[in-house]
Amino acid sequence: AQSVTQPDIHITVSEGASLELRCNYSYGATPYLFWYVQSPGQGLQLLLKYFSGDTLVQGIKGFEAEFKRSQSSFNLRKPSVHWSDAAEYFCALTTGGGNKLTFGTGTQLKVEL
Amino acid sequence: DAGVTQSPTHLIKTRGQHVTLRCSPISGHKSVSWYQQVLGQGPQFIFQYYEKEERGRGNFPDRFSARQFPNYSSELNVNALLLGDSALYLCASSLVYGGYNEQFFGPGTRLTVL
Repeated sequence: AQSVTQPDIHITVSEGASLELRCNYSYGATPYLFWYVQSPGQGLQLLLKYFSGDTLVQGIKGFEAEFKRSQSSFNLRKPSVHWSDAAEYFCALTTGGGNKLTFGTGTQLKVEL
Repeated sequence: DAGVTQSPTHLIKTRGQHVTLRCSPISGHKSVSWYQQVLGQGPQFIFQYYEKEERGRGNFPDRFSARQFPNYSSELNVNALLLGDSALYLCASSLVYGGYNEQFFGPGTRLTVL
């Protein structure tokens, strides 16, 4: 069975600093990988996705993620964090055939001004 | 265009009661999925429906059921509520089933079981 691990439960960064959120997955082949963001009282918003091809993918709000097959990782990065980026971030995967998403436990991002 | 809508926003029930949660997908979307998000965890897949048929079921007890209507809206029903059913219930819609189709999430229904 597939799984997603987000090792960091909470991360605090200063506004303007760079950010990297870690995500590791377990699956026998290459899954479809996603990063979602959830603000309080909001649903999940898709930041970016990886299916195949270029292993560095660009998303909305200045986020990017890099797929590393050898490390089974799909880490999310942003060069300069804004206070409005404070939210919970979820890494997820699907193996296709119906879109069922398997999520990690999430990383809560706090941004210090 | 309206996104995925869910009702009610919040709900408080007592143990043993029954609850019905409702979801309206984005116009033109024919597939609806339900997820349960317990506090401090990621969403867990409950059901997926497409063209009124169940196409996927997660590891949830039979107390959980759902259906999809001809207009593609959906209901999630939970019987004999337990304290552990307290969670945010998310609905997501996508255009079709099969392959990959982006899922768009609603704001969720916060269920509290006392």
